[in-house]
Amino acid sequence: EAQVTQNPRYLITVTGKKLTVTCSQNMNHEYMSWYRQDPGLGLRQIYYSMNVEVTDKGDVPEGYKVSRKEKRNFPLILESPSPNQTSLYFCASSQGYNQPQHFGDGTRLSIL
Amino acid sequence: DAKTTQPNSMESNEEEPVHLPCNHSTISGTDYIHWYRQLPSQGPEYVIHGLTSNVNNRMASLAIAEDRKSSTLILHRATLRDAAVYYCILRRPYTGANSKLTFGKGITLSVRP
Repeated sequence: EAQVTQNPRYLITVTGKKLTVTCSQNMNHEYMSWYRQDPGLGLRQIYYSMNVEVTDKGDVPEGYKVSRKEKRNFPLILESPSPNQTSLYFCASSQGYNQPQHFGDGTRLSIL
Repeated sequence: DAKTTQPNSMESNEEEPVHLPCNHSTISGTDYIHWYRQLPSQGPEYVIHGLTSNVNNRMASLAIAEDRKSSTLILHRATLRDAAVYYCILRRPYTGANSKLTFGKGITLSVRP
């Protein structure tokens, strides 16, 4: 089954403790992206990747890092999480530009 | 991407058709109309997209006005599982490398049993 898998689905942690949210897709998609969704602010893009070793900032990249060492994986790294990064995070992938995007089920992060 | 306008919410009865409207009066000639939906506690899900002609797939139909300033997503027989927020967005065929999606507030669809 074609899918985008995020882990963990839920995480409560403390300020400053590094964490990684993993994202994996099994559709051989070139394009992958991370979004955060906050009430009243909609979906905002954090980082995206056009292919292996090609990443770029989205609209709200501060405080986040990403890597794309393999086509299927696109982890999101919070080196020193802060409470303003408490949010619902989604990973998405697509075959190419303007193709339908497939989303994971989300990761709810709470930073205390 | 150009702006779209949708009502905040709609209600429907189960097993009846639902017509979800979207206005996009500033649409350009090359903009595609995309619909996504987000079920509670899930990620957004692609529904359908089109350019000028009406489109059908297994999930829904998309009716596009002749002047392209509005469109309607049609769910032919609503089920309880169709209760979700539905987003109408416009996308240019190519504006660079980033395929970012920008969602507005969308329509919250409630389905009554």
